[in-house]
Amino acid sequence: GIQVEQSPPDLILQEGANSTLRCNFSDSVNNLQWFHQNPWGQLINLFYIPSGTKQNGRLSATTVATERYSLLYISSSQTTDSGVYFCAVYTGGFKTIFGAGTRLFVKA
Amino acid sequence: DTGVSQDPRHKITKRGQNVTFRCDPISEHNRLYWYRQTLGQGPEFLTYFQNEAQLEKSRLLSDRFSAERPKGSFSTLEIQRTEQGDSAMYLCASSPGTGVGGYTFGSGTRLTVV
Repeated sequence: GIQVEQSPPDLILQEGANSTLRCNFSDSVNNLQWFHQNPWGQLINLFYIPSGTKQNGRLSATTVATERYSLLYISSSQTTDSGVYFCAVYTGGFKTIFGAGTRLFVKA
Repeated sequence: DTGVSQDPRHKITKRGQNVTFRCDPISEHNRLYWYRQTLGQGPEFLTYFQNEAQLEKSRLLSDRFSAERPKGSFSTLEIQRTEQGDSAMYLCASSPGTGVGGYTFGSGTRLTVV
């Protein structure tokens, strides 16, 4: 089956710093989502981005489907950005495959 | 409609007991999914419903697990004869019937089997 790899696995930032999270996938995908899981376990949909670039405030995402990767950019990080960021891909079946996540901690 | 609702938020049960979780999806979404997440891992697919039909089940879903979605509205996930290895977060998600547009997840039910 398709493999989804996220990097880095762990990231510690000083508040105000910028960061880039990466998601590589091993096969063609129909759709891709980025999620933020907050410390209480809630998965929040950040971007639904099968291709191209989208921006929402301090966050933006780019997916290059032909090269099988997606990037999530976080600018001017805040402590509330802490949590786990998941990339999830949909391959045309009924299920979405999640990566193992990037654990982000933003220090005040 | 404020999103996907799951109940209960937390459940502690003794090994061997049966437990049932409920999920209420976004009302206009006809696709509903159950996922399981263990500590330090991403969510893993369990099963999928389109309306009331259960169209796919993961091999993770042993015969102790059963899911239903009567009338294509809310769904229940039952675990019989719970084992300690069943301890996890159980997540429900829904999505639009067109198949495009992303998932919306509920807050999850955290199960602890003691």
